[in-house]
Amino acid sequence: ELKVEQNPLFLSMQEGKNYTIYCNYSTTSDRLYWYRQDPGKSLESLFVLLSNGAVKQEGRLMASLDTKARLSTLHITAAVHDLSATYFCAVDLEETSGSRLTFGEGTQLTVNP
Amino acid sequence: DTAVSQTPKYLVTQMGNDKSIKCEQNLGHDTMYWYKQDSKKFLKIMFSYNNKELIINETVPNRFSPKSPDKAHLNLHINSLELGDSAVYFCASSGREGYEQYFGPGTRLTVT
Repeated sequence: ELKVEQNPLFLSMQEGKNYTIYCNYSTTSDRLYWYRQDPGKSLESLFVLLSNGAVKQEGRLMASLDTKARLSTLHITAAVHDLSATYFCAVDLEETSGSRLTFGEGTQLTVNP
Repeated sequence: DTAVSQTPKYLVTQMGNDKSIKCEQNLGHDTMYWYKQDSKKFLKIMFSYNNKELIINETVPNRFSPKSPDKAHLNLHINSLELGDSAVYFCASSGREGYEQYFGPGTRLTVT
């Protein structure tokens, strides 16, 4: 059974600081997604990582995927308050039709002024 | 313009009742999903349908029955609701390229 573990689960950081969220998974996969969820809201797709070594950046967030280590990272650069949210990684075990996402527990990020 | 929509947004009901949640996507995707997010925010897949055919059926009580009248719609019917069914239920859809899933706004179900 695929296990997806994120750490840390809770992260409180100051504006302007850098930090990395880690996502480890237990079964071979080369598809990994990062989502953002604000309180009471839906999941917003941030990054789609589809191969070993994939790196994507959007604003202050950068995601990478190492399929050999079964590890993805979400790096936050110079955090701002607007980044406060819960971040989920999700590993995809491709089915014949569609996909099967297994989510990590989520990392609740709070950025303090 | 809403890509994946769900109704209702909130649902409060008593134990033992039967209720349905509806989902529609206008993205032209072939595959649709239902997820449950519990009080600890943990997300778990329940079902997926591809072109009206059931593909994934996780270990979910058989009180939960999905129905897909066409590939743009996937409804979730729940019989004999229990307190433990209280959660947020998300519908999602994906196309053939990249399999990225797009999520609906969620339905917050509260069973009293």
